[in-house]
Amino acid sequence: SAVISQKPSRDICQRGTSLTIQCQVDSQVTMMFWYRQQPGQSLTLIATANQGSEATYESGFVIDKFPISRPNLTFSTLTVSNMSPEDSSIYLCSVARDGTYEQYFGPGTRLTVT
Amino acid sequence: QQPVQSPQAVILREGEDAVINCSSSKALYSVHWYRQKHGEAPVFLMILLKGGEQKGHDKISASFNEKKQQSSLYLTASQLSYSGTYFCGTETPGGSNYKLTFGKGTLLTVNP
Repeated sequence: SAVISQKPSRDICQRGTSLTIQCQVDSQVTMMFWYRQQPGQSLTLIATANQGSEATYESGFVIDKFPISRPNLTFSTLTVSNMSPEDSSIYLCSVARDGTYEQYFGPGTRLTVT
Repeated sequence: QQPVQSPQAVILREGEDAVINCSSSKALYSVHWYRQKHGEAPVFLMILLKGGEQKGHDKISASFNEKKQQSSLYLTASQLSYSGTYFCGTETPGGSNYKLTFGKGTLLTVNP
């Protein structure tokens, strides 16, 4: 398995501001993912952030709104830009073990936009 | 395409069995199962990679019927600790990158 930490664990932000969420993994992994989850809902993939390549965004998510950095094999950031109340959600990073594709999730960042 | 899970919710008494189904309208390359407890991150349970593959872990097992494009998760002699929301995640062939699409989840409640 992999141990994943996220910062911050929660935040309350004002409309129009930006928040950067950090994801740190205790081992080197190639594949990293960012998801969004409304309470009681499913997991929606925002983007795949593989080290050494540009992030790949899913339909409905754009780089200007959710810029991602992946500077090395143990770290990534997701920025939620120009926030609106609709961005209030839980944001989770996950990693897939090389070779087995088992995904392990971070504890999540609970974001509230007022 | 999001896989369809059924049932949406199930309530059990401790010791009873349950089956959770996950079906897709598209061909599947693999099926992943996760459990998420309230306020926590999803936890990996198992992957099924081949058609017809069955796996088991403790009293939780799963099968993958590639032809029917569906997977089932079996929980036998349920324990209180089994309570949570179960998600299946499906991987479909043809994409350039590996990714999972998750179902809406099945809320399992085990009562004493």
